[in-house]
Amino acid sequence: GDSVTQTEGLVTLTKGLPVMLNCTYQTTYSPFLFWYVQHLNEAPKLLLKSSTDNKRTEHQGFYATLHKSSSSFHLQKSSVQLSDSALYFCALTVNYAQGLTFGLGTRVSVFP
Amino acid sequence: NSKVIQTPRYLVKGQGQKAKMRCIPEKGHPVVFWYQQNKNNEFKFLINFQNQEVLQQIDMTEKRFSAECPSNSPCSLEIQSSEAGDSALYLCASSLTVSGNTLYFGEGSRLIVV
Repeated sequence: GDSVTQTEGLVTLTKGLPVMLNCTYQTTYSPFLFWYVQHLNEAPKLLLKSSTDNKRTEHQGFYATLHKSSSSFHLQKSSVQLSDSALYFCALTVNYAQGLTFGLGTRVSVFP
Repeated sequence: NSKVIQTPRYLVKGQGQKAKMRCIPEKGHPVVFWYQQNKNNEFKFLINFQNQEVLQQIDMTEKRFSAECPSNSPCSLEIQSSEAGDSALYLCASSLTVSGNTLYFGEGSRLIVV
């Protein structure tokens, strides 16, 4: 079946540094990829949705590029802020009936 | 702020009790999903609806849950007989379409089964 892999469970870094969260996927279909961010006790919120192959999408300083050749949709930001501390989930959709397939999430902790 | 409204935010039930959660999807969204997020933050798809019709549900949901999305009323998800393993955050999400579209999540109902 379809799957999403996020290799980092926890990423800790200092404010102002760049960050990259890995996301790779497996599917036999052509997927849409998403990044959702979930702050403590809040709803998961859409951060980014993939565009066409090899095209970068950006929102709120975060960016990601869908690379079908490597089945990846890594999330990046050039300078993290304290408010970026949260859980980040990569997800894909191909099976319309079940909505999204989520990765296990990466917790980002940003320190002053 | 989320436009998908879930109630209650928290509920505590004893084993064997019923546990009912409600969801008002974002206005104009005909598709509703329910997910279970466990203590390890893993998401499990439970069931989804398009308007009032069930599109798909997993075996556990069919056997132990009762869910509906009546017209002009909140959607609901009810565990008929709560078990300790049901303790989790239950997330409702809505969408404009089923295929390839963005899901908008509510803040969830956290169930604790004691």
